[in-house]
Amino acid sequence: AAGVIQSPRHLIKEKRETATLKCYPIPRHDTVYWYQQGPGQDPQFLISFYEKMQSDKGSIPDRFSAQQFSDYHSELNMSSLELGDSALYFCASSLMVAGSYEQYFGPGTRLTVT
Amino acid sequence: KNQVEQSPQSLIILEGKNCTLQCNYTVSPFSNLRWYKQDTGRGPVSLTIMTFSENTKSNGRYTATLDADTKQSSLHITASQLSDSASYICVVSMDSNYQLIWGAGTKLIIKP
Repeated sequence: AAGVIQSPRHLIKEKRETATLKCYPIPRHDTVYWYQQGPGQDPQFLISFYEKMQSDKGSIPDRFSAQQFSDYHSELNMSSLELGDSALYFCASSLMVAGSYEQYFGPGTRLTVT
Repeated sequence: KNQVEQSPQSLIILEGKNCTLQCNYTVSPFSNLRWYKQDTGRGPVSLTIMTFSENTKSNGRYTATLDADTKQSSLHITASQLSDSASYICVVSMDSNYQLIWGAGTKLIIKP
């Protein structure tokens, strides 16, 4: 079965650079979530989209922005990168219209800021 | 304060043995409780998800229980395998699908 796809899997950037992470949800899923997981920490909810509209916002820094496109894929744009942004970034998708609580996580993008 | 506490913090058992992981929560309002398995550096993989009215749910060798009155859940793993070595995380969802309260996880190591 198709899973959530994230790209790239690994990314190395320098301070003050920008990065764009991509997420391709499971086909027909209508909701995408972004999480940030620092070393040894819980995943922190950043932002979510339902039917291409932002549905909820968590602890996403103002330097980050995200959107969901017409094909339901989502991109997380990160600017003015800081060392503390180094983390695993997970994307998850679900089928909200079916009333499902289940979130399916992607493999993550490991971002290293040097 | 909304919290999810898990015990033990870590556990080492021999291959083939059973084990039970605990989760206590103080989250309100409560929507559902999930157990995830997370390998180091990988995305969490859902094992079970239970709503208020469900007391037990199984997924292969994994069986989760939920007592909504005492706000406790457990994850029982039977006939453990080496591939079960991972962190097991209890997550409680509030009244929406967005705000998840994550436990710190139990690190399980299966030894041959």
